[in-house]
Amino acid sequence: NAGVTQTPKFRILKIGQSMTLQCTQDMNHNYMYWYRQDPGMGLKLIYYSVGAGITDKGEVPNGYNVSRSTTEDFPLRLELAAPSQTSVYFCASSSLRAGEKLFFGSGTQLSVL
Amino acid sequence: TQLLEQSPQFLSIQEGENLTVYCNSSSVFSSLQWYRQEPGEGPVLLVTVVTGGEVKKLKRLTFQFGDARKDSSLHITAAQPGDTGLYLCARYNTGKLIFGQGTTLQVKP
Repeated sequence: NAGVTQTPKFRILKIGQSMTLQCTQDMNHNYMYWYRQDPGMGLKLIYYSVGAGITDKGEVPNGYNVSRSTTEDFPLRLELAAPSQTSVYFCASSSLRAGEKLFFGSGTQLSVL
Repeated sequence: TQLLEQSPQFLSIQEGENLTVYCNSSSVFSSLQWYRQEPGEGPVLLVTVVTGGEVKKLKRLTFQFGDARKDSSLHITAAQPGDTGLYLCARYNTGKLIFGQGTTLQVKP
């Protein structure tokens, strides 16, 4: 059982470039989340989704976009990358009820230079 | 506005020592989760506390939920190097799971 799979694991971007971070889960979870984590810090919620076709902003959505066309996939799009977006990005999912535990992917380390 | 405040932010101790990590909020929460994160990995859930005054034990880890459900603590007895990692508390706020800033624990042999 793969769980939550994120790609790529590492990426270096130049300022102004765009990219999509991929996230897929095979647990049929309705809830999916994107977090970013700066060194030694907690996780900040970027966007989340409660089901296919439904997305909403988290704590730090500026500079990012998401879509949820299927239950399995929740890609995160960075437009016009900036150095402030250098971080580790984690995708997570949980089952139908809010309050359940989150299952995390292993993260994408992104550097914007 | 920081919904969850964790303290201390960093803790470095010797193997065998005891420690306590705190998670506080100015508002009541219905439940609280504790996660541990090792370098290069995503966080992994340790426990969920739901009832005010609740105490849960996981081997050498003891989790407590305050009576007023505004605070929680994690106590580790006889810490071992394998306990090294980032400890995070998290709570749900209008359907979103929000994390504290974490406590980095280093246990030296």
